[in-house]
Amino acid sequence: DSGVTQTPKHLITATGQRVTLRCSPRSGDLSVYWYQQSLDQGLQFLIHYYNGEERAKGNILERFSAQQFPDLHSELNLSSLELGDSALYFCASSVLATNTGELFFGEGSRLTVL
Amino acid sequence: TQLLEQSPQFLSIQEGENLTVYCNSSSVFSSLQWYRQEPGEGPVLLVTVVTGGEVKKLKRLTFQFGDARKDSSLHITAAQPGDTGLYLCAGADYGQNFVFGPGTRLSVLP
Repeated sequence: DSGVTQTPKHLITATGQRVTLRCSPRSGDLSVYWYQQSLDQGLQFLIHYYNGEERAKGNILERFSAQQFPDLHSELNLSSLELGDSALYFCASSVLATNTGELFFGEGSRLTVL
Repeated sequence: TQLLEQSPQFLSIQEGENLTVYCNSSSVFSSLQWYRQEPGEGPVLLVTVVTGGEVKKLKRLTFQFGDARKDSSLHITAAQPGDTGLYLCAGADYGQNFVFGPGTRLSVLP
């Protein structure tokens, strides 16, 4: 158990819909990273938050947005869903603001868009 | 855009065999990490290498960071079925990001 909690574990929805994925980092970790994992793309970095502030953005679509709340949990919002958005979405936390420490991953949220 | 390539993409071997998987990039990284991911779970860190030329051993696993800090290898001695999984390398760039490779999917048959 990494200490990172992601909900929901599985989600099935239709094209055009909007979903919210939630992540609770390990106790004491201030950094939250979001990654998308699909079969042919590996782990793609989406966005990084540290203590409520956005620190870095990767290949995150405009239809996607995220935020980190004062209690440090984070949410990833995916809207106007397309078939190609079907993937595993991972949240990872780290105690550090920079990429010099270990990432602790949750078990992921599997999104299926029909 | 920094990219990490991993080879081979798939590897299926018998228990007891040795294997090496590779992680390569044209970019320099400040450090490199190896993770193992099992089905239904998130990746778990195996090791972090920081210094060019560094070699780290973790029981039957040996990790090496290239002198130029652009590539790395993972060698497993006497593989066991419990080593089965997706092995991911991740490079820490000089910004805020961890860049992940596509992974090597290892299957060790009993």
